[in-house]
Amino acid sequence: EAGVAQSPRYKIIEKRQSVAFWCNPISGHATLYWYQQILGQGPKLLIQFQNNGVVDDSQLPKDRFSAERLKGVDSTLKIQPAKLEDSAVYLCASSPPLGDEQYFGPGTRLTVT
Amino acid sequence: ILNVEQSPQSLHVQEGDSTNFTCSFPSSNFYALHWYRWETAKSPEALFVMTLNGDEKKKGRISATLNTKEGYSYLYIKGSQPEDSATYLCALVGASSASKIIFGSGTRLSIRP
Repeated sequence: EAGVAQSPRYKIIEKRQSVAFWCNPISGHATLYWYQQILGQGPKLLIQFQNNGVVDDSQLPKDRFSAERLKGVDSTLKIQPAKLEDSAVYLCASSPPLGDEQYFGPGTRLTVT
Repeated sequence: ILNVEQSPQSLHVQEGDSTNFTCSFPSSNFYALHWYRWETAKSPEALFVMTLNGDEKKKGRISATLNTKEGYSYLYIKGSQPEDSATYLCALVGASSASKIIFGSGTRLSIRP
């Protein structure tokens, strides 16, 4: 079974630029999560999708972050414009139902200079 | 606001020694507690999903216990090996539809050969 795919693996941008990350979850997993993991901290949930609907986006900084999962499969996370404090690893995960273990992708390490 | 605490933050253990660390969480509104292992340059990997008070789960040399009444879970590693070096994360899943998934900041385990 193929795992969760993410791209790119690494990205370096300057502040005020835009960036987008892509995630392809495990086939058949209805729930998809985006996390931000800042060095030294645990992953913070940014947004959770159930199929193509948003379940929780309460911690997503909506003035600069957006995410979509239009067909209930792949998802993209965008930051526009980026700030220095957005430097982090962005993890995508998927699971069958809520509460079950999550399967994580390799993450995208973003550096904003 | 739910807070999940992990202790210690980091741990250095001699190869062959056994070790354990703690995840503390609010005992109200509990649905599940997850443990993940995150090795450097890899994806976080699920170890256990625990739901019942008194649960004890085991995978090889790693085991975990759960006390939902007092709000803690212990992870034990018996006979530590170099490949056990990783960050161990716990995550609380709340029971209500408004509950987020909250990760602790992790315990970074280093095994000295």
